[in-house]
Amino acid sequence: NAGVTQTPKFQVLKTGQSMTLQCAQDMNHNSMYWYRQDPGMGLRLIYYSASEGTTDKGEVPNGYNVSRLNKREFSLRLESAAPSQTSVYFCASNQGQRLYGYTFGSGTRLTVV
Amino acid sequence: KNEVEQSPQNLTAREGEFITINCSYSVGISALHWLQQHPGGGIVSLFMLSSGKKKHGRLIATINIQEKHSSLHITASHPRDSAVYICAARETSGSRLTFGEGTQLTVNP
Repeated sequence: NAGVTQTPKFQVLKTGQSMTLQCAQDMNHNSMYWYRQDPGMGLRLIYYSASEGTTDKGEVPNGYNVSRLNKREFSLRLESAAPSQTSVYFCASNQGQRLYGYTFGSGTRLTVV
Repeated sequence: KNEVEQSPQNLTAREGEFITINCSYSVGISALHWLQQHPGGGIVSLFMLSSGKKKHGRLIATINIQEKHSSLHITASHPRDSAVYICAARETSGSRLTFGEGTQLTVNP
């Protein structure tokens, strides 16, 4: 089915470990986004990529890096995980133009212990 | 103060009731999105509005650009409507969304 695919769905890390969250979309969308969702707060933008070859910081970029590998794929890397990064992470994509909707992945629940 | 505020935070209704969830925003927007997040966690886009009103089945979304306010209505609510409903504003300056905190809706039989 067309959409945004995120892997893994669940992950437990020890403090200091690294990992990469993968995201791929097959809708030929230009823009891709990484959000985190924490209790009592709205979704917050970590990084985004307006188009292939570009990436920009969002509201909460510290502790993360991203790679827009090609038009389809946008990965999020935690180099040295911290308990404050325990969250649910969502990848999303859209055409990048003003009146186009967004498609979200199913989320990755990450726990850092 | 959040740039996008939703009310109420929690809402419990009986099956069949008419439901309204409100969203106010303080930024200039090009579009207002309503999203639904089910207990399993997935997020689905319901509506994208830049003016007026849209209807999809039992769901209706309205927006008043002058008052910077949007509402999501659910007619003849059903337990399967139980979810978190999220309002998100797309600012005029770019493609990024600013999200409200969400409204937890529970519809009881």
